[in-house]
Amino acid sequence: KQEVTQIPAALSVPEGENLVLNCSFTDSAIYNLQWFRQDPGKGLTSLLLIQSSQREQTSGRLNASLDKSSGRSTLYIAASQPGDSATYLCAVNGGNQFYFGTGTSLTVIP
Amino acid sequence: DAGVIQSPRHEVTEMGQEVTLRCKPISGHDYLFWYRQTMMRGLELLIYFNNNVPIDDSGMPEDRFSAKMPNASFSTLKIQPSEPRDSAVYFCASSSPGASGANVLTFGAGSRLTVL
Repeated sequence: KQEVTQIPAALSVPEGENLVLNCSFTDSAIYNLQWFRQDPGKGLTSLLLIQSSQREQTSGRLNASLDKSSGRSTLYIAASQPGDSATYLCAVNGGNQFYFGTGTSLTVIP
Repeated sequence: DAGVIQSPRHEVTEMGQEVTLRCKPISGHDYLFWYRQTMMRGLELLIYFNNNVPIDDSGMPEDRFSAKMPNASFSTLKIQPSEPRDSAVYFCASSSPGASGANVLTFGAGSRLTVL
């Protein structure tokens, strides 16, 4: 069974700093990997999706990379802002199912 | 599209009562998922459907939980009888491989259940 791990569980950075969130998975036979954002008390919002054939995807200040062979993905956030404070989850699509990590709680300090 | 629509957004009930949560997936999506999220256990997959057929219900905690998808545009998750430990946020999500095979998973806003 696919296992997804996100480290660190929590991260606190000063505003303006660039940061990297990590996601690792055990089975490299994936279709795609999706990064989500969840604000407290809210649902999950999709940020980026990387197909298994892709190496990275970019959206604004966000850049997600995928290395299937090593079972890793990173979410890079440039010039962090207080509004980026949220929990970030990665989900690996192994066919019909999506396997979620436990998330990284990010706090950006003004 | 209005996205995945869930109701009710909040439900407070007493132990022993029946609870029914509802979900309308995105039109054209052929996969529907029910998740439960708690602080202690994170996001757990309860059950998922493909073309209205339940494929994997191994995440359903016990017989008190049941889910149906009578048609492509509607699904229910029922808890009977409810217990305090069922208190959680229940999410419905849908996806479809689509022409590009992207298979983007889209979540509803969730139903926050409190069982007293």
